[in-house]
Amino acid sequence: DTGVSQDPRHKITKRGQNVTFRCDPISEHNRLYWYRQTLGQGPEFLTYFQNEAQLEKSRLLSDRFSAERPKGSFSTLEIQRTEQGDSAMYLCASSLTGAYGYTFGSGTRLTVV
Amino acid sequence: AQKITQTQPGMFVQEKEAVTLDCTYDTSDPSYGLFWYKQPSSGEMIFLIYQGSYDQQNATEGRYSLNFQKARKSANLVISASQLGDSAMYFCAMREDPYNQGGKLIFGQGTELSVKP
Repeated sequence: DTGVSQDPRHKITKRGQNVTFRCDPISEHNRLYWYRQTLGQGPEFLTYFQNEAQLEKSRLLSDRFSAERPKGSFSTLEIQRTEQGDSAMYLCASSLTGAYGYTFGSGTRLTVV
Repeated sequence: AQKITQTQPGMFVQEKEAVTLDCTYDTSDPSYGLFWYKQPSSGEMIFLIYQGSYDQQNATEGRYSLNFQKARKSANLVISASQLGDSAMYFCAMREDPYNQGGKLIFGQGTELSVKP
């Protein structure tokens, strides 16, 4: 297993377009997290899954954001009608219940023009 | 509410010297974990060290040690013998009881460390 992979690494989109990001966690990890990081700030929690169930969503996650994790494997994060304020790094992480470690992906950097 | 505070936006250290990065936290949960991550300019978050709230001894991992002062709610990272490759952003993070809270991490604002040759 090569770790958590995120695709794409970079995405430039026009305001108002929809974008979708993908995260492939470590295969045996049952928890998957999405974070958003703006320039010069720490990552902010968006949402997390345990297996295929979305157990928590941050208030940061507006109605334009939706995340899925079908079959408890990879996850997608979709942003509809993108706004310039959505420009950020979107980080995915995975972990195993009961273990303290998290493994982060390299992130998807979104630029909305 | 849980909160992590890193009061040093930027730090400079001479190569081969030690440096301490400050972190204070706030939580009402008696069970929690504290993490430090390194984020180079490439963007990935690299795990450095972990301290559980019930751990009796300070955590150490190679050149990294965590100065855990529970009563003061501080968890400072000490990097010994700094190297040029240590130049990066450093984040302190906290997780409350994973069995009740889902295990999400709360991050501080980060400290940018620059190592001078």
